Amino acid sequence: QKEVEQDPGPLSVPEGAIVSLNCTYSNSAFQYFMWYRQYSRKGPELLMYTYSSGNKEDGRFTAQVDKSSKYISLFIRDSQPSDSATYLCAMSPNSNSGYALNFGKGTSLLVTP
Amino acid sequence: DGGITQSPKYLFRKEGQNVTLSCEQNLNHDAMYWYRQDPGQGLRLIYYSQIVNDFQKGDIAEGYSVSREKKESFPLTVTSAQKNPTAFYLCASSIGPAAIVYGYTFGSGTRLTVV
Repeated sequence: QKEVEQDPGPLSVPEGAIVSLNCTYSNSAFQYFMWYRQYSRKGPELLMYTYSSGNKEDGRFTAQVDKSSKYISLFIRDSQPSDSATYLCAMSPNSNSGYALNFGKGTSLLVTP
Repeated sequence: DGGITQSPKYLFRKEGQNVTLSCEQNLNHDAMYWYRQDPGQGLRLIYYSQIVNDFQKGDIAEGYSVSREKKESFPLTVTSAQKNPTAFYLCASSIGPAAIVYGYTFGSGTRLTVV
């Protein structure tokens, strides 16, 4: 069993919809949770990171972590066609192990006008 | 503008050849990484380097080699020992090992195809 599971999609939604992207994990040592966005033929870019459980909001994006369920989510409000990309979750047991990031497979999102 | 430059964008390799992928950064980052991305597989770590003249194997290092002679440069060689090299290769850097808070900066990738 992979440590990080993520549904690859694709997920197709109309413009303006609320999008929910999710990952589950098995390693209870994970403390830091990140979401990266990757446009086609580009490298990923960091969207948000959260530490331990709770919510974090940044504009239209909200990251949510439920450590008791080993489940993290990224919500996108008022989705736009420019949000069409692959979204990867990533996790780490501590803040100083950049080499120890565990990535999900990525979920492909398409927002249609 | 600071960033990471990977070259070439597309690379074709014949069976039995070694090829080298270039990765250069001008961000003054200490740590650099090489990932491989395959469809449906996510990112897998090949090698990483936290400081000049030092590097460590990642999860899938077999068939690959790296060097870190300069802070700015972290080239990856795909050797003939790598049995399935066709993939999208991503180079990344971070401020030290604390890639969590500040994130990785990724290059735009090199797509390698075996012909």
